[in-house]
Formats: sequence, C-alpha cells, structure tokens
Amino acid sequence: RKEVEQDPGPFNVPEGATVAFNCTYSNSASQSFFWYRQDCRKEPKLLMSVYSSGNEDGRFTAQLNRASQYISLLIRDSKLSDSATYLCVVKNNNDMRFGAGTRLTVKP
Amino acid sequence: NAGVTQTPKFRVLKTGQSMTLLCAQDMNHEYMYWYRQDPGMGLRLIHYSVGEGTTAKGEVPDGYNVSRLKKQNFLLGLESAAPSQTSVYFCASSYRLLAGEWGYNEQFFGPGTRLTVL
Repeated sequence: RKEVEQDPGPFNVPEGATVAFNCTYSNSASQSFFWYRQDCRKEPKLLMSVYSSGNEDGRFTAQLNRASQYISLLIRDSKLSDSATYLCVVKNNNDMRFGAGTRLTVKP
Repeated sequence: NAGVTQTPKFRVLKTGQSMTLLCAQDMNHEYMYWYRQDPGMGLRLIHYSVGEGTTAKGEVPDGYNVSRLKKQNFLLGLESAAPSQTSVYFCASSYRLLAGEWGYNEQFFGPGTRLTVL
C-alpha cells in the first residue's frame, strides 16, 4: 500500500466549477501536510500548507483530519489556469512523502 | 536570484556508465534533497542533506551516492547506471526549521533533469 494515496483522476471540469481532491496517508506520526501544484513537464511548486484547523487562500481551501488521516483540497470557481496536477504531500521530520498526484483539466 | 538550478537538463546514458547531477541553490538554504519522479509513483526521496558535509538516505537510496561539500551545492552520483534509473530527477532546497514551525518549511524545486538509461 502506498504511504500517500490520491485519486489519479483525471478530473475534467468546466470553468467556474467547484472541484475537490482527497488524499489519505498511512503514517499516523506525520507532522505536516501540504498541497503542491505541478504543471506539465515542470517542477512542483507549493500551493498551500494544510493546518489542523483548516485554512483558506482565495479560491483554495485545505482541510486536515488527523483522526481519519485524510487531507482535502477544494477549488472554487475553477479557472483555465488551474489546470495542473495536484500533489498531496505528507512530512515526518525531513522525510517528505508525495502522492502520485491528481490531474485536473479545466475547460472553457 | 536564480533559485535552484540543475545541470544537465537532459542526459542519455548506456547501462554501466556513470554520471553526476549537479544541484545549486543561491537562497542560503541549509537543507537540500534529491528526488526521482516516475509515472504513477509520485516523487520519491533518494537522499537529503541537513547541512554542509552531512547526508542521509531517503526512501530509495540504492544505486545513488551524494555529496554536499559546499552549502550551495548538492551532487547526485550514479556509479553504474541501470535502465531502472531512467527517470526525472528533481533537486529541492529549504531553509532550516525554527522551533515551533512544526515542519512547515517550503521546499523549492529545480527544473529537473530527464535521464534515460539505455
């Protein structure tokens, strides 16, 4: 079983749609959590950190449920520029574990 | 401010050849990392370093060696390349965590090196 699991998608949504990605992790000792974004043939870049109380950054909302070992990312009012692969990342000390990513395509 | 740079961008090797990938960062970061990314697998940590002169194994270290002789550089070596090492290699760096940050230090990635081993 992979340590970080994500639905690979692809998710194909129209502009303006709301889309949600889920992620589960197996290591209960994990300390910190992130969503990274990766465009095609590019390097990953931090989208947002995920805090225990949940956090929001504009159209993006991240939630963490430590009891269920579950992380989510909600994107509201999708834009064409949101098309990318979204990587769930779980960290314990210096050991970062990445999910395989969920691919999103936003269409006009 | 170039951030994280990687050399080379592309490379094709024959089985058994050796090579070194170079990563350089100009952000004065303490921590540096080497990952590989394969289809359907996500990024996997090969080795990392928490400071000049120190290195540690990650999730998939076999077949690779690293060195951190200078703070700004982190080298990844393949002594005898195998087709299973065909992958995209990413280097990353991050600042040293301060007390109370609970692991929330962003990693900055280089543009990647596409390696094919025939």
